[in-house]
Amino acid sequence: SYVLTQPPSVSVAPGQTARITCGGNNIGGKSLHWYQQKPGQAPVLVVFDDSDRPSGIPERFSGSNSGNTATLTISRVEAGDEADYYCQVWDTSSDHRVFGGGTKLTVL
Amino acid sequence: EVQLVESGGGLVQPGGSLRLSCSASGFAFTSYAMHWVRQAPGRGLEYVSGISSNGGSTYNADSVKGRFTISRDNSKNTLYLQMSSLRAEDTAVYFCVKSLGDFGAFDIWGQGTTVTVSS
Repeated sequence: SYVLTQPPSVSVAPGQTARITCGGNNIGGKSLHWYQQKPGQAPVLVVFDDSDRPSGIPERFSGSNSGNTATLTISRVEAGDEADYYCQVWDTSSDHRVFGGGTKLTVL
Repeated sequence: EVQLVESGGGLVQPGGSLRLSCSASGFAFTSYAMHWVRQAPGRGLEYVSGISSNGGSTYNADSVKGRFTISRDNSKNTLYLQMSSLRAEDTAVYFCVKSLGDFGAFDIWGQGTTVTVSS
């Protein structure tokens, strides 16, 4: 089945830019979504269809997807951005909806 | 306010059964596919089951195929997950989720209900 690979952790200082990657075979050919999950809370959709933002999500959150790597970019990182981030796709060939393993973002 | 509220979780013995419910409000429930996603303690998200807006199509992950059944009652704006032959590895928080389209992103999540399978 289709596999999405994320780094277990990313650390960034406040005010800097965080980049969280999600790797998969020809992932650029799929619609890629990103979720933020804070401890004890349900996930929240922050980017959908590679680069669109739901209403209420700050412009600091952006996404890109090409080739074998998708990237979630968080600009001007704030302490409140500290959370686990998951990428997700629908793999049409297997009809599986797949999540990446998650990346813990730590704000130093 | 768009809201999904799960119920039905609890402690069950291995081999037992449980039915989860999810009550939806604040949106046109009958127009959207719905799903269950779970998260084992300290682990990542795992897609479990999905159902089309009219209930005509369903999907189950390999890990639950033959044991879990997803259904919906559009007259009651309610989603269900019937779980049987439960195993310790089914222990998780189960989230009810709405998607943007049948195959779109998961835009609305419930707060989750906890299922513990243990003797």
